[in-house]
Amino acid sequence: EVQLLESGGGLEQPGGSLRLSCAATGFTFSDYGMSWVRQAPGKGLEWVSSINNAGVNKHYEDSLKGRFTISRDNSNNMLYLEMSSLRVEDTAVYYCAMQLWDSDHWGQGTLVTVSS
Amino acid sequence: DVVMTQTPLSSSVTVGQPASISCRSSQSLVHSNGDTYLSWLQQRPGQPPRVLIHKISHRFPGVPDRFSGSGAGTDFTLRISRVEAEDVGIYYCMQATEFPRTFGQGTRVEIK
Repeated sequence: EVQLLESGGGLEQPGGSLRLSCAATGFTFSDYGMSWVRQAPGKGLEWVSSINNAGVNKHYEDSLKGRFTISRDNSNNMLYLEMSSLRVEDTAVYYCAMQLWDSDHWGQGTLVTVSS
Repeated sequence: DVVMTQTPLSSSVTVGQPASISCRSSQSLVHSNGDTYLSWLQQRPGQPPRVLIHKISHRFPGVPDRFSGSGAGTDFTLRISRVEAEDVGIYYCMQATEFPRTFGQGTRVEIK
């Protein structure tokens, strides 16, 4: 059974940094592209970033480039999102998702709150 | 960026009656490989999103057959043939043909 378990969320001050993790089990992780999608409180879904299976090709939402970095560790079946220079508007639940174009596997999400 | 526009933004439906949600993209979602990467997601209150349909009309395992997707190019539709109480939530279309991936604004479905 495919499982995606996010962790690393929490309360951070504006300007701070956080690293989100997503532990993947139940499938051959290195065969699939992965993505992060976020949802601000009471708002819709917003794509954040995607990475291909080998970790070579990375894409970001334009406004996040330079502040967020996606990476993966195929040896340990882990997906990461490094977030820096956090802003209040980055407050959201962050979901990791498998191969957005043809998969139905999403995690339960981890809440990031940016507030002073 | 591809803009995804859903209509209506809210729908109140009697149990057992059909419901329909439209999603229009600002440009064709046909990929260079010939596939069209348009998905529909359901988000029940307090739950993470659940992907119901991908590539316009392909239901994922476990998705009731009362949900169906159709369309082509820039115009797509999600239909619920007979709405049940458990279908309450917000429905999103999403395109994964191009980067950045983009979502519709969401359509809230409630029971009348």
